[in-house]
Amino acid sequence: SYVLTQPPSVSVAPGQTARIPCGGNNFGSETVHWYQQKPGQAPVVVVYDDNDRPSGIPERFSGSHSGNAATLTISRVEAGDEADYYCQVWDSRSDHWVFGGGTKLTVL
Amino acid sequence: EVQLVESGGGLVKPGGSLRLSCGASGFTFSTYSMVWVRQAPGKGLEWVSFLSSSSRYKYYADSVKGRFSISRDNAEDSLYLQMNSLRVEDTAVYYCARVRSITGIGGWFDPWGQGTLVTVSS
Repeated sequence: SYVLTQPPSVSVAPGQTARIPCGGNNFGSETVHWYQQKPGQAPVVVVYDDNDRPSGIPERFSGSHSGNAATLTISRVEAGDEADYYCQVWDSRSDHWVFGGGTKLTVL
Repeated sequence: EVQLVESGGGLVKPGGSLRLSCGASGFTFSTYSMVWVRQAPGKGLEWVSFLSSSSRYKYYADSVKGRFSISRDNAEDSLYLQMNSLRVEDTAVYYCARVRSITGIGGWFDPWGQGTLVTVSS
């Protein structure tokens, strides 16, 4: 299966832009999905299919994917964005889903 | 409102068994594939198992293959996970989630239930 790598933590000041990277091996042909998980809560999808946003998710959340690198970008970061963020892909070679290790976003 | 509610978690000894349930409401359950995902205490997310809408396709993570079995009852809008030969490392919050996909292949998980805690300990 693919291995997705995320930095353990990212810090950003309120109002600034946070970029959370997701790298790996040969997942360029797969689409990437991103989840936000706040303490004690279930994950919520914030970006799907590389760069689409579910209804109810602010436009401040966006995604990009090129080759074996994907990025979740959060513009104009707010205190309420503080959470763990996970990237995910479906490995079509093995019919398995794979998550990155997660990144804790801290709003300074 | 689309809702998923898990139940059945608890404390079990190593080698024991447990059956988790996930009740669905607010959508046509029989037309969606479903998954189980777990999260060990303080750790990240791990996909566990997938079941297609008609139960034709079942996939398992290597870590649970041969020990866990996924099933569903579309008449009861329910998803199940039978967990046998449980190990200490199976301790986690188990979430059920609905699979969404534009192409019908792969996809993302939305929404998720609130999770149920399984603790495997002697």
